[in-house]
Amino acid sequence: DGGITQSPKYLFRKEGQNVTLSCEQNLNHDAMYWYRQDPGQGLRLIYYSQIVNDFQKGDIAEGYSVSREKKESFPLTVTSAQKNPTAFYLCASRDRAPNYGYTFGSGTRLTVV
Amino acid sequence: GEDVEQSLFLSVREGDSSVINCTYTDSSSTYLYWYKQEPGAGLQLLTYIFSNMDMKQDQRLTVLLNKKDKHLSLRIADTQTGDSAIYFCAESRTGTASKLTFGTGTRLQVTL
Repeated sequence: DGGITQSPKYLFRKEGQNVTLSCEQNLNHDAMYWYRQDPGQGLRLIYYSQIVNDFQKGDIAEGYSVSREKKESFPLTVTSAQKNPTAFYLCASRDRAPNYGYTFGSGTRLTVV
Repeated sequence: GEDVEQSLFLSVREGDSSVINCTYTDSSSTYLYWYKQEPGAGLQLLTYIFSNMDMKQDQRLTVLLNKKDKHLSLRIADTQTGDSAIYFCAESRTGTASKLTFGTGTRLQVTL
């Protein structure tokens, strides 16, 4: 079955460490997105990519970095510059016609220890 | 820029109908969506409607769109405890180059 796989489901980071969250899709979708969700809040866009080897900053890109070397993969690195990284991170890819909706992964919960 | 607003919380009794409301500001919105998020999970697409439609029904779900007032609603008939979740409204323009703009989500609590 096609879908988006995020790993790991839970991740713990020490202060000052960089960590990378994995997002893989086998839906053959061009566009992919990373969102951050804090408790009781909506989704905030971190980065997005509409095509391989190209990506754009979203609303809260500071302290994060991404790459898009393959169509299937869009990893997110949370750097030590991100001062408050504890959150739930969601990856999504965008469908084509007819609905152009997003398919989401199951999320990664990142906690700073 | 685009903005999508929802009320934060709704409580209904099991078996009653739930109505979750959403307003948006972008008059160029072409697609409007409803997503469901259960605790600790990703968002699941429930249904969507094109802006040239007024209503769409899918089993227990009914979506109503008032384009003039930029108001979207999701009605869940015969609400069950399994419907307890956060529901997100989202809007988009045409094409994959456009991003979805999400509301803040409405938490639906179903009581016995």
